[in-house]
Amino acid sequence: DSGVTQTPKHLITATGQRVTLRCSPRSGDLSVYWYQQSLDQGLQFLIQYYNGEERAKGNILERFSAQQFPDLHSELNLSSLELGDSALYFCASSVVASGGLQETQYFGPGTRLLVL
Amino acid sequence: GNSVTQMEGPVTLSEEAFLTINCTYTATGYPSLFWYVQYPGEGLQLLLKATKADDKGSNKGFEATYRKETTSFHLEKGSVQVSDSAVYFCALRKGVGAGSYQLTFGKGTKLSVIP
Repeated sequence: DSGVTQTPKHLITATGQRVTLRCSPRSGDLSVYWYQQSLDQGLQFLIQYYNGEERAKGNILERFSAQQFPDLHSELNLSSLELGDSALYFCASSVVASGGLQETQYFGPGTRLLVL
Repeated sequence: GNSVTQMEGPVTLSEEAFLTINCTYTATGYPSLFWYVQYPGEGLQLLLKATKADDKGSNKGFEATYRKETTSFHLEKGSVQVSDSAVYFCALRKGVGAGSYQLTFGKGTKLSVIP
């Protein structure tokens, strides 16, 4: 158990809908990262937040957004869903934001999203 | 940009066989290198890491050496067990500095160990 929790575990929805994925980082970790794992694209970095502020952006679609709240949990919002958004979405957390040599990212179990 | 290439799977081995999963990378600067493992139905767990050239990461009998001259970070284990069956991901993170936070992953290699 990494200490990172994600809810829900599974999500089934229809095209055009909007969903929210939730992540609680390990106690004491200030950074949260979101990754998408799909069959065709593999594991891709989406976005990082540190202590409530956006720190880095990867291949995140404009239809997707995220935020980190004062209690440090984070939410990933996916809107106008398409079939191709079906994937496993992982959250990871780390203590720091600087990418320092000793920084390790700890991953949650993921949310499996199926868009029908 | 940064990229990681790892050997295609799936790989099927008998228990106690020797394991090698190849990983090469392309990156500017001095990346840190990682191996993550994903057991069925679970998230990714850090297996080992190396942060500079010639460093050897090791954990649970697995080893990988950061080879800058060949831009490689191959994963090895001398004697695999059924419990090692999982998907293994090689990843890199650029060296310290702006934009260095995210991990870039390879496509993953599925390992099945049969008794």
